[in-house]
Amino acid sequence: GAVVSQHPSRVICKSGTSVKIECRSLDFQATTMFWYRQFPKQSLMLMATSNEGSKATYEQGVEKDKFLINHASLTLSTLTVTSAHPEDSSFYICSARPNIGTGVNQPQHFGDGTRLSIL
Amino acid sequence: AQKVTQAQTEISVVEKEDVTLDCVYETRDTTYYLFWYKQPPSGELVFLIRRNSFDEQNEISGRYSWNFQKSTSSFNFTITASQVVDSAVYFCALLSSNTGKLIFGQGTTLQVKP
Repeated sequence: GAVVSQHPSRVICKSGTSVKIECRSLDFQATTMFWYRQFPKQSLMLMATSNEGSKATYEQGVEKDKFLINHASLTLSTLTVTSAHPEDSSFYICSARPNIGTGVNQPQHFGDGTRLSIL
Repeated sequence: AQKVTQAQTEISVVEKEDVTLDCVYETRDTTYYLFWYKQPPSGELVFLIRRNSFDEQNEISGRYSWNFQKSTSSFNFTITASQVVDSAVYFCALLSSNTGKLIFGQGTTLQVKP
C-alpha cells in the first residue's frame, strides 16, 4: 500500500520548453503533497508544499512563476517547469502525506523521481 | 532552527564490515520524528525507519539497527555485515510536528566493496 506514482521518470527537452511532472497517490488520498529538488550529490531541498484546492506554499528562493504547482484533486499534484533552461536540469521528487488521522506527523510517501535534462 | 547534520560525506568499507552512519539533529519542537532513507543509484527513496521523539528504544531490523540518543540529539544507523547491495546514499531526516516539513541531512554515500 501507500504507493506514489511520479511521471515521467525522465525528460530530455530543449531550452524554452515547459515540462509537466505528475505526482499521483494511487491507493490513498493526500490533501498535502510536497515537491523536492535534488542536484547531483546533494540533498533533497523542499521547493513547495502543494495543498489540494488552494495555492501552493513555496520555500524561500523558489520562483512560483517558474515552478507552477496545481493540486486539483486529492490524488494528483502537478509541477510545471515553465520555459525551462539548462540550470533547471535536476532530479525532482514528489511526496504525498496520507489523509489519515490528524496532524502533520503522518509519514510521507515518495515518488520515484523525475530526472529532467534541459539541452 | 531545524537542522540535520550528517558529518560523514562518504564512507567506504569492505563487504562484511560493520558500518555506522552518524546523524545529529537540532530542533526546538518537543514532538518530532526522525527518519532514515536509502537512495540507491536509481534515485528512488526507500523508507527505512521512523522514530518519534518519545520513543528512545533502539531498534533492530535484520542487519540494520538504530541508536536514538535524545541527550545528544543523535540518531545513528548501523549496518552489520555490510553487503555490496547496501551501497547507496543514506539520508537522515527530521519531521517538524509544527510545520509538517521534512528536513533532510546532506546524505552519506556508502560504498561497500566486494
